[in-house]
Amino acid sequence: EVQLVQSGAEVKKPGESLKISCKGSGYSFTSYWIGWVRQMPGKGLEWMGIIYPGDSDTRYSPSFQGQVTISADKSISTAYLQWSSLKASDTAMYYCVRGEDSSGWYDYWGQGTLVTVSS
Amino acid sequence: DIQMTQSPSSLSASVGDRVTITCQASQDISNYLNWYQQKPGKAPKLLIYDASNLETGVPSRFSGSGSGTDFTFTISSLQPEDIATYYCQQYDNLLRSTFGGGTKVEIK
Repeated sequence: EVQLVQSGAEVKKPGESLKISCKGSGYSFTSYWIGWVRQMPGKGLEWMGIIYPGDSDTRYSPSFQGQVTISADKSISTAYLQWSSLKASDTAMYYCVRGEDSSGWYDYWGQGTLVTVSS
Repeated sequence: DIQMTQSPSSLSASVGDRVTITCQASQDISNYLNWYQQKPGKAPKLLIYDASNLETGVPSRFSGSGSGTDFTFTISSLQPEDIATYYCQQYDNLLRSTFGGGTKVEIK
């Protein structure tokens, strides 16, 4: 069974760093893209970027380029989304998603990680 | 960035009604358009990929059409369990993507 299991909810202060994770199982982790999608409270979905764990090819939305870093450790089938300095506006639910190579749709989603940034 | 304009932002319909949602791309995206359903408190679920292909296990009352810049998502007979927010998503040949703003579907 394909699963994407994300790390738990986080409460952080502005200026702190954070790395959240997404562990894939039940499929070949290096043969699919992993993406990240943001959903701010009460708002819609925003595409942040994707990584291909097989070769670490990474692509970002212009809106998120330089604001976050997407990485992956294929030895433990885990992808990451990290911030070096959080802002209150980073408060949101973050979903990881799986996409087939050469296709842009996401057939599996993680359960989401809620990040709250508040002083 | 390719912009996706989704409409309406919300709608109210009766059980059994035909429901139609549209998505317009700011430039030609061929058929690189997908549709998702998100129920409250849940992760989105893929319904339609590449404009008109029904994901495995998705009821046949859901359908999609279109190409180029104009796309349509249809629920042929609205059911109570279809109450959700629906999103379109486009992608390009580098697999970069954007989502539409969403359509909240409610029962009248």
